[in-house]
Amino acid sequence: GGIITQTPKFLIGQEGQKLTLKCQQNFNHDTMYWYRQDSGKGLRLIYYSITENDLQKGDLSEGYDASREKKSSFSLTVTSAQKNEMAVFLCASSTLTGGSTGQLYFGEGSKLTVL
Amino acid sequence: KTQVEQSPQSLVVRQGENCVLQCNYSVTPDNHLRWFKQDTGKGLVSLTVLVDQKDKTSNGRYSATLDKDAKHSTLHITATLLDDTATYICVVGDRGSALGRLHFGAGTQLIVIP
Repeated sequence: GGIITQTPKFLIGQEGQKLTLKCQQNFNHDTMYWYRQDSGKGLRLIYYSITENDLQKGDLSEGYDASREKKSSFSLTVTSAQKNEMAVFLCASSTLTGGSTGQLYFGEGSKLTVL
Repeated sequence: KTQVEQSPQSLVVRQGENCVLQCNYSVTPDNHLRWFKQDTGKGLVSLTVLVDQKDKTSNGRYSATLDKDAKHSTLHITATLLDDTATYICVVGDRGSALGRLHFGAGTQLIVIP
């Protein structure tokens, strides 16, 4: 079976700092996603990528950059951390039909705390 | 505007009891609906996917229904176990491919007590 690995699991930064989260998958999936999960709210899409070197903005992309240099990895950078950005960031991967009956898997999340 | 509403927000049941979780949505088009389980501090794990206009699925003690005319889904958990304690998230997809968008509910927090 495959796995999605997110690093780090916990990230503490200073306000204004640039912070990077990494995600690796060994499912050989084409599509990868970054979501933000805030308490009491549904997940919101930040960026997704349908293949290597492709990037697509989600609903919450402002203040974030992403990078898909390899099929197996997808990085997310918070360009200037703000205190209201404390949340859990979830990485996911899917087959191209992962939106319906295809495979869709999530990592365990990276919790961001901004001091 | 929230397009996927889940109820109840939280629920406490005794081990062995059955429970029903609700999901109402306004997403259009509604290609499919998926239920996820999220243990505390963990990622989302898919329980079932519903696709047809009126669909039913079963996965062990979990069973689900979808009525696209009513834009409504239910997740039934039979004979709950302590390990069922988790947040259950309803997700509606507007297309059948990764190019579509997934619309997430805020989840129902289920607590199973001895």
